[in-house]
Amino acid sequence: LAKTTQPISMDSYEGQEVNITCSHNNIATNDYITWYQQFPSQGPRFIIQGYKTKVTNEVASLFIPADRKSSTLSLPRVSLSDTAVYYCLVGFPGGSYIPTFGRGTSLIVHP
Amino acid sequence: GAGVSQSPSNKVTEKGKDVELRCDPISGHTALYWYRQSLGQGLEFLIYFQGNSAPDKSGLPSDRFSAERTGGSVSTLTIQRTQQEDSAVYLCASSLVRGTSGTNTGELFFGEGSRLTVL
Repeated sequence: LAKTTQPISMDSYEGQEVNITCSHNNIATNDYITWYQQFPSQGPRFIIQGYKTKVTNEVASLFIPADRKSSTLSLPRVSLSDTAVYYCLVGFPGGSYIPTFGRGTSLIVHP
Repeated sequence: GAGVSQSPSNKVTEKGKDVELRCDPISGHTALYWYRQSLGQGLEFLIYFQGNSAPDKSGLPSDRFSAERTGGSVSTLTIQRTQQEDSAVYLCASSLVRGTSGTNTGELFFGEGSRLTVL
């Protein structure tokens, strides 16, 4: 299983763009990169998934360089409601896939 | 229902008692996962079901923990002789299995969790 490393915590202010980088140096050829968001007292929620280059949806963008050894989740113009823990997962979503969640990055958005 | 449903949402029990936690996955989702989350920690994998079988039980912390799934749907996690260190939020998630090879889309849909407090 590819190990991921991401910052324990980050602080930002409303209206700013937030970039959370995840390192996954031993990512396998077939692995995908998936990000989840978890609010207090709730289960995690899928945000975005990608394999290479850039993926964008209504919530976030995911940037993946050519070597795929890292990825960056970008949240545009954050608001107080984006305060949450963000998890980076790496794995192949096939067969007996067991998503492994680390400590995640605790993002606090200040007024 | 539209989402994953877990019950009870809160359970307070005395040390040594048995507890049962229930998960009702999204209809049609054949993959089901149980995780445990202690305060301020990440999610700890407990067990995975594909249909009614559990190919991976590696995360169950001790033989006091067991889980079953019937009819490819509802799952029950049972903790016998609860200990204080069992206090945590127990999260259930389900996922759609894609294709005849059993390829999983990877997206997990989580319930709200069951908060267990052992006094």
